Amino acid sequence: EAQVTQNPRYLITVTGKKLTVTCSQNMNHEYMSWYRQDPGLGLRQIYYSMNVEVTDKGDVPEGYKVSRKEKRNFPLILESPSPNQTSLYFCASNGGRLTRDNEQFFGPGTRLTVL
Amino acid sequence: QQPVQSPQAVILREGEDAVINCSSSKALYSVHWYRQKHGEAPVFLMILLKGGEQKGHEKISASFNEKKQQSSLYLTASQLSYSGTYFCGTSGGGADGLTFGKGTHLIIQP
Repeated sequence: EAQVTQNPRYLITVTGKKLTVTCSQNMNHEYMSWYRQDPGLGLRQIYYSMNVEVTDKGDVPEGYKVSRKEKRNFPLILESPSPNQTSLYFCASNGGRLTRDNEQFFGPGTRLTVL
Repeated sequence: QQPVQSPQAVILREGEDAVINCSSSKALYSVHWYRQKHGEAPVFLMILLKGGEQKGHEKISASFNEKKQQSSLYLTASQLSYSGTYFCGTSGGGADGLTFGKGTHLIIQP
């Protein structure tokens, strides 16, 4: 089954404790993105990647890092989480540019709480 | 800059119609529509591409006016399953990824 998977699905942590949220897709997609969703703000892009070793900032990159060492994986790293990073996080992938007829597939989401 | 969606929320009776609008201040190459149930991943509905498209998907259709930088989603004879939050995501042709509006909450009552 074609899918995007994320782990963990739920995470409660404390301020300053480094964490990684993993994302993997099995569709051989070149493009991958991370979004965060907060009430009343919609989805906002954190980082995206257009291919292996090619990443760039989205609209809200502060406090986050990413890496793309393999095509299928795109982990999101919070080096020193803070309470304002409490949010619902989605990973997404697409096989071609979104300016064309390419659907962006979303993972199930990771609900992160930073105390 | 996020596209602006209107209305922010709407309550309908089953069988009524709804229109959700999405307006951008930037030139657009494509508009993507998603529906999301609370706490779940967004579910893809349709893409509209530059060129002034209209598309239909059962009782859900959409239009895209690139000159006005606007798109509208039409829900006809709404069903209870249509309840959720609808998002438009826009692509301006630059960096990849979508810029989403803040969403329109749709509640369908029996």
